[in-house]
Amino acid sequence: ETGVTQSPTHLIKTRGQQVTLRCSSQSGHNTVSWYQQALGQGPQFIFQYYREEENGRGNFPPRFSGLQFPNYSSELNVNALELDDSALYLCASSWGSFEETQYFGPGTRLLVL
Amino acid sequence: DQQVKQNSPSLSVQEGRISILNCDYTNSMFDYFLWYKKYPAEGPTFLISISSIKDKNEDGRFTVFLNKSAKHLSLHIVPSQPGDSAVYFCAARAGGTSYGKLTFGQGTILTVHP
Repeated sequence: ETGVTQSPTHLIKTRGQQVTLRCSSQSGHNTVSWYQQALGQGPQFIFQYYREEENGRGNFPPRFSGLQFPNYSSELNVNALELDDSALYLCASSWGSFEETQYFGPGTRLLVL
Repeated sequence: DQQVKQNSPSLSVQEGRISILNCDYTNSMFDYFLWYKKYPAEGPTFLISISSIKDKNEDGRFTVFLNKSAKHLSLHIVPSQPGDSAVYFCAARAGGTSYGKLTFGQGTILTVHP
């Protein structure tokens, strides 16, 4: 059974650019959630994808968008990057949107200069 | 508006003793609570969870206690081991939603000294 994987591990971008982060869910899981973790804080919910549809969103602007593919892998896209977008981006997978326990990947560390 | 709070940024414990990590919440709609452990350069690892219909759940050295009237939960680790040194996050999920948004606390850094 493979766990949640994310790519890339690290990324440096400049303000105004766009970025795409990728996540492969744990084997057998059909739901992916994305979180942003700023330094010294707990993860904050961005959105969840269930069966290729957005299924819940946190307090993030529309320039944060996502996709889920038929194999349940997912992408997080961020447009018009701002300095405050610098954070660790975590992907978590679960079986079903109601499943309480989510399993996290190692994260992508994004630095915006 | 911090709905889940971990008021102790850090905790230091001697190997073999008990570690107690605390978490308070404000949202009465939370019905499921989880603890995650995070090592540097890794994602959070699920440790243990508890439903709001219970007041205690045990798994080996880890026990979670829930006091709904006080809106407080705690994680007990007995005995503590140096490998337990990590950041611990409590998280909560609100019932009645169609999706699994987890709300996290800020984390507590646990250091277990040999």
